[in-house]
Amino acid sequence: LAKTTQPISMDSYEGQEVNITCSHNNIATNDYITWYQQFPSQGPRFIIQGYKTKVTNEVASLFIPADRKSSTLSLPRVSLSDTAVYYCLVGVAGAGSYQLTFGKGTKLSVIP
Amino acid sequence: DTAVSQTPKYLVTQMGNDKSIKCEQNLGHDTMYWYKQDSKKFLKIMFSYNNKELIINETVPNRFSPKSPDKAHLNLHINSLELGDSAVYFCASSQQPVGQEQFFGPGTRLTVL
Repeated sequence: LAKTTQPISMDSYEGQEVNITCSHNNIATNDYITWYQQFPSQGPRFIIQGYKTKVTNEVASLFIPADRKSSTLSLPRVSLSDTAVYYCLVGVAGAGSYQLTFGKGTKLSVIP
Repeated sequence: DTAVSQTPKYLVTQMGNDKSIKCEQNLGHDTMYWYKQDSKKFLKIMFSYNNKELIINETVPNRFSPKSPDKAHLNLHINSLELGDSAVYFCASSQQPVGQEQFFGPGTRLTVL
């Protein structure tokens, strides 16, 4: 079962790039890596997903090194509205077996 | 239109009671999930159904029983509620299990007194 580790919290000033890394040392071959954002009193919301190398969408980039033992969520030029908790999720499906493991979340505080 | 809805939003009850939380999705997804988020904000998968078949059944007390009457609904029934069951329970859905974006409901805050 994949185990994920993230920093508990991070602070950043508005306009800066923020990188949040998730470690998943025992990631399996078929595992996908997904990141979610959660605001207080709301359900998590999908940000980005990847399997290897780099993925970019309109809100973030996801960097996954060749060994896939970690992944880094990159948020360009954060604003106050990016203050939230960010979770990495490692999931695998194989031979009728499914596993999903969320990290414990990184609380990002964006400072004016 | 709400994609994933849960009822009730808040649930306050006494220890020992039995309660149910309902979840519905109108996205046409095949897979639905129940998660528990504790006071430390840790998210833990409890159950998942794919096409009404149970595919994830994590180690949770057997007082918790999921029921999927059809692909659009996944309910969670909890017997003999305990103080430690107090948490926020989230329902989610995705087109397929794993490797797909999950859409989460707004959560049900359960408080056991």
